[in-house]
Amino acid sequence: GEQVEQLPSILRVQEGSSASINCTYENSASNYFPWYKQEPGENPKLIIDIRSNMERKQTQGLIVLLDKKAKRFSLHITDTQPGDSAMYFCAASGEGNNNRIFFGDGTQLVVKP
Amino acid sequence: ETAVFQTPNYHVTQVGNEVSFNCKQTLGHDTMYWYKQDSKKLLKIMFSYNNKQLIVNETVPRRFSPQSSDKAHLNLRIKSVEPEDSAVYLCASSSGTGVETLYFGSGTRLTVL
Repeated sequence: GEQVEQLPSILRVQEGSSASINCTYENSASNYFPWYKQEPGENPKLIIDIRSNMERKQTQGLIVLLDKKAKRFSLHITDTQPGDSAMYFCAASGEGNNNRIFFGDGTQLVVKP
Repeated sequence: ETAVFQTPNYHVTQVGNEVSFNCKQTLGHDTMYWYKQDSKKLLKIMFSYNNKQLIVNETVPRRFSPQSSDKAHLNLRIKSVEPEDSAVYLCASSSGTGVETLYFGSGTRLTVL
């Protein structure tokens, strides 16, 4: 199967600063990399995703980067707000993984006011 | 907008009892999943169904069994629960088989005393 490593496990930042979460994967056939946000007591929700035909994608203060050669992808949150405090999960999937989605272990982001 | 419905929200039971959780999606998706989220927030896939066919059966104890009557329903039965089964069980659906967005239900929190 696929192994997705996610770091850091906990990230504390000051409001207004940026936050970065990094993930690596093993299977070069993985071609879909979503990011999910889970707020306390809520279910995970997709916030942004990127496919292997792209290297960069940006939407509403979120930037994802994909380096296929290094098998690495990352989420960058610019101008963090207290509402960004949540668990963030990266994931990888693709035909090479029998279409299964493998999640990283999650990053607890804490944005301090 | 909740499109993946899970019942019950909470369930407290004793070791050795049998429990059943229900999941229904109204998105017209072809694939449904059961994930287990433990106290450390790790997301682990348990089962996946595509058009009533089991396509993924991760290594879970045999006391767990998924049941699907049609592609909109995927239930989970646990025979003889153990303390380590205490977790949040998240149902999800997707239009494809892994390389599409997952839509999660609100989860069922199981506590085994």
